[in-house]
Amino acid sequence: GENVEQHPSTLSVQEGDSAVIKCTYSDSASNYFPWYKQELGKRPQLIIDIRSNVGEKKDQRIAVTLNKTAKHFSLHITETQPEDSAVYFCAASSQGAQKLVFGQGTRLTINP
Amino acid sequence: NAGVTQTPKFQVLKTGQSMTLQCAQDMNHNSMYWYRQDPGMGLRLIYYSASEGTTDKGEVPNGYNVSRLNKREFSLRLESAAPSQTSVYFCASSLGASGTYEQYFGPGTRLTVT
Repeated sequence: GENVEQHPSTLSVQEGDSAVIKCTYSDSASNYFPWYKQELGKRPQLIIDIRSNVGEKKDQRIAVTLNKTAKHFSLHITETQPEDSAVYFCAASSQGAQKLVFGQGTRLTINP
Repeated sequence: NAGVTQTPKFQVLKTGQSMTLQCAQDMNHNSMYWYRQDPGMGLRLIYYSASEGTTDKGEVPNGYNVSRLNKREFSLRLESAAPSQTSVYFCASSLGASGTYEQYFGPGTRLTVT
């Protein structure tokens, strides 16, 4: 089955700097890659997703890139702000997005 | 719209007790899911229901059963709770149609088994 590895497990950056979180997946049939943000004590919420027919997708300060050959995808957050502090999860799916396999999560802290 | 709702919010069980976690969505979604979240392990899929009348196992189904009661409701049952089932449980739903994959999560149930 699919296996998703996420790095780093914790990341601390200065406000205004960029943050990058990386994930690798094992199943070459995976074709859907969402990123979820979870604030402390809250539910996970989708922030951006990408499908395997696209190499990059941007939404304001966040972007996701996908390298199908290497089987890895990354989340990029630019001009970080204190409200970006949260745990971020990547996920991958090959079955019409029904069975998401999540990475272990990255705790991002933005230092003022 | 309330979105995805879960009851209860908190629960403490003794080993061997049973309980049912309830989940409901009012977004007319076809697909529903149950996940557990443990520290350092992300979210792991327990069971899912692609559409009313169907259920399938996820990564960690052992010790759990589910019922898709109708299109709105999807319950998770622990028949004989064990300390290893101490976790936060999230229900989620998605439209399930081609091109609309976003999963919407409920607020979670924090379960402790002693």
